[in-house]
Amino acid sequence: SQQGEEDPQALSIQEGENATMNCSYKTSINNLQWYRQNSGRGLVHLILIRSNEREKHSGRLRVTLDTSKKSSSLLITASRAADTASYFCATDALSGGYNKLIFGAGTRLAVHP
Amino acid sequence: EAGVTQFPSHSVIEKGQTVTLRCDPISGHDNLYWYRRVMGKEIKFLLHFVKESKQDESGMPNNRFLAERTGGTYSTLKVQPAELEDSGVYFCASSQGLAKGGTGELFFGEGSRLTVL
Repeated sequence: SQQGEEDPQALSIQEGENATMNCSYKTSINNLQWYRQNSGRGLVHLILIRSNEREKHSGRLRVTLDTSKKSSSLLITASRAADTASYFCATDALSGGYNKLIFGAGTRLAVHP
Repeated sequence: EAGVTQFPSHSVIEKGQTVTLRCDPISGHDNLYWYRRVMGKEIKFLLHFVKESKQDESGMPNNRFLAERTGGTYSTLKVQPAELEDSGVYFCASSQGLAKGGTGELFFGEGSRLTVL
């Protein structure tokens, strides 16, 4: 079975509001990454947080990681209509010394003008 | 610099036919991955190449799927014979090896949508 599970499955908000998406996983990880997918496009890397980090920021993105609870959250502040997309967390457990990302089913975010 | 490219972008075939998907990774990336997403479900790992070698093919569904990466450059994923449940979007991704300064970030192509009728 897959490692990461995002919650909620879908989220609908108004522009300017904050959006929070959660991710839970099952096994030990080396790092956790968040990706974004616009409809019909490929996945784009947003942010990577290592297992020894607790919080990371990138622009309007804030990611937290709680390894004791095996969970992560992605916060998008002051959302814009252009943030409408699916967001995926991916855990990297390192397999044989190589990265192996395991993805969840994603959260569909809709930001309404 | 060109990103990861995949071909075709969309393929519609009948059950029992054969389809070959192609992926051209970013030049110099040793790691190449295939993933599949079926109807809004998780993005499922299929396999991982390091150069021309299969590092991990634990996600390949069955022997109807064959992936190759001859010469360690582009990769192909062949489905023969295709079944209805093979429908989905097949993503290819590549990355720089950790030993070469890679961060673990994957660079994705836009996917090949396969529809089996």
